[in-house]
Amino acid sequence: SQTIHQWPATLVQPVGSPLSLECTVEGTSNPNLYWYRQAAGRGLQLLFYSVGIGQISSEVPQNLSASRPQDRQFILSSKKLLLSDSGFYLCAWSERRSGQNTEAFFGQGTRLTVV
Amino acid sequence: GENVEQHPSTLSVQEGDSAVIKCTYSDSASNYFPWYKQELGKGPQLIIDIRSNVGEKKDQRIAVTLNKTAKHFSLHITETQPEDSAVYFCAASSLFSGGYNKLIFGAGTRLAVHP
Repeated sequence: SQTIHQWPATLVQPVGSPLSLECTVEGTSNPNLYWYRQAAGRGLQLLFYSVGIGQISSEVPQNLSASRPQDRQFILSSKKLLLSDSGFYLCAWSERRSGQNTEAFFGQGTRLTVV
Repeated sequence: GENVEQHPSTLSVQEGDSAVIKCTYSDSASNYFPWYKQELGKGPQLIIDIRSNVGEKKDQRIAVTLNKTAKHFSLHITETQPEDSAVYFCAASSLFSGGYNKLIFGAGTRLAVHP
């Protein structure tokens, strides 16, 4: 069966420090990968998606970047964090299936607090 | 772009009652509509989904209905139990080239089931 791992679960970082959140998927190959952010009490905003190694698309301009160095690894980064980067970050994956939407499965999230 | 509106934002019911959450979407090309349940501090869990070629789908106490003409879909939970208490998100998606499906989420409904 497929599993998705995301870490760390919580993170407190000072303003101006770098960020690296990691997500890995097991039990599948060539998945679509996603990073979402959830502000307190609000819905999920898509930040990045990837359809393959090295292929990253950004949905919103921001202080963050994403990379996919391996097929099942997705990393969210920042060189210098801002207070507004605080939030709950979620990694997700879906199976690539030609001509059909597939279910998206989420990790357990990382709560980032920038102080 | 696609927009998904979800109502109500909060819902309080007595155990055993039914709960209904409604969503509307704007993009007529949307063809996949999942519902997620999110418990405190965790990632969203897919509970049911429906595709545009189906009008209704049921899984035990949970059902989803879709009206493509009106562009709205609803989640119905019958015989609610305290463990149904959580935040529920609807989403709409259309398929892009490369097999990538972009989920647009509603703002969420906080459901409280009182014993």
